[in-house]
Amino acid sequence: SQQGEEDPQALSIQEGENATMNCSYKTSINNLQWYRQNSGRGLVHLILIRSNEREKHSGRLRVTLDTSKKSSSLLITASRAADTASYFCATPPRGAGGTSYGKLTFGQGTILTVHP
Amino acid sequence: DAGVTQSPTHLIKTRGQQVTLRCSPKSGHDTVSWYQQALGQGPQFIFQYYEEEERQRGNFPDRFSGHQFPNYSSELNVNALLLGDSALYLCASSKATGGFADTQYFGPGTRLTVL
Repeated sequence: SQQGEEDPQALSIQEGENATMNCSYKTSINNLQWYRQNSGRGLVHLILIRSNEREKHSGRLRVTLDTSKKSSSLLITASRAADTASYFCATPPRGAGGTSYGKLTFGQGTILTVHP
Repeated sequence: DAGVTQSPTHLIKTRGQQVTLRCSPKSGHDTVSWYQQALGQGPQFIFQYYEEEERQRGNFPDRFSGHQFPNYSSELNVNALLLGDSALYLCASSKATGGFADTQYFGPGTRLTVL
């Protein structure tokens, strides 16, 4: 089964609006990562938040992490048409000794459409 | 500084054939992971190579095999192709430090179509 589950599956908004996507996971993690994928191409790393962090910002992106609820959210502020893409959360499971080795488990993603 | 590169970009094969996909990691990276992404799905982890050895493997049959070379580049081989192997194959590289491999950088992928 998927480690990360994104919600909603699809989101359609107008340019300038904010977009919020949520991710839930099942096992203990060292960190959680968000990726963007444009139209079946390679994934672009957006942001990584570690398990001891609660919030992180990068430009128009804000990511929160609640380890007690095993959930994370990605907020894109003042969205642009160029933000149209699929967004995935991914987690490397926490292994023995706290190592993870980077095996990422992805959810099915949220398809974001931003209308000009 | 070149990012992760993959070749070929697209590939069409028929059932039963064998295919080899190639990946060159980002400069300074020593770990290569391969993922399969079916249409409309998230990427699924196939395996990861570090120091020329398979370190972790996902739930994929033995038809999927790989190799990592001394220069850290990697190949993914799939034998006896099935229609269900049609997917986007993604390579990701990272730098392993102290047992952790954090941010993974993905290549553009190879689109494999099996007819």
